[in-house]
Amino acid sequence: EAGVAQSPRYKIIEKRQSVAFWCNPISGHATLYWYQQILGQGPKLLIQFQNNGVVDDSQLPKDRFSAERLKGVDSTLKIQPAKLEDSAVYLCASSSRTGGSRTDTQYFGPGTRLTVL
Amino acid sequence: QKEVEQNSGPLSVPEGAIASLNCTYSDRGSQSFFWYRQYSGKSPELIMFIYSNGDKEDGRFTAQLNKASQYVSLLIRDSQPSDSATYLCAVRGSSASKIIFGSGTRLSIRP
Repeated sequence: EAGVAQSPRYKIIEKRQSVAFWCNPISGHATLYWYQQILGQGPKLLIQFQNNGVVDDSQLPKDRFSAERLKGVDSTLKIQPAKLEDSAVYLCASSSRTGGSRTDTQYFGPGTRLTVL
Repeated sequence: QKEVEQNSGPLSVPEGAIASLNCTYSDRGSQSFFWYRQYSGKSPELIMFIYSNGDKEDGRFTAQLNKASQYVSLLIRDSQPSDSATYLCAVRGSSASKIIFGSGTRLSIRP
């Protein structure tokens, strides 16, 4: 079974530029998550999708971040314009169940390391 | 108070010894608890999860949960240098859906 795929793996941009990340979850997984992990911290949930609907986006800075999962499969996370504090690893994860089951577990992709200069 | 707290470490343990990693959480209604291992520059990898009070064993790993004390731990027996990594505790709260991660404990196994 193929794992969660993400691209690109690395991205360097200047502040105020825009950037987009792509994620393809494990086949058949209904729930997709985007996390931001700043160096030395644990992952912070940005947005959670169940199929193509948003379950939680309470910590997504909506003035600059956007995400979509139009067909309920792959997803794109965009930052526009980027700030220096957006430098982090952006992790995508997926899980098979609805996300509400206590045994539901998340599997992470390799992440995209973003550096904003 | 942070929702999920871990000692950042580093925790240094001699090879072959037992490593004990601890995590406390603030939401008393939390439903399930996860331990992830994260090597430097890599993404988190699930080690195990637990949702009932008591111990759960998987190979060299044992997760322990005490809901009354809002405390979960991970024991690693016969520690190996390959166990050197950051260990993330994650908690699914009473809202059922959202998982909150701690900031991780850095573990170093010295030969």
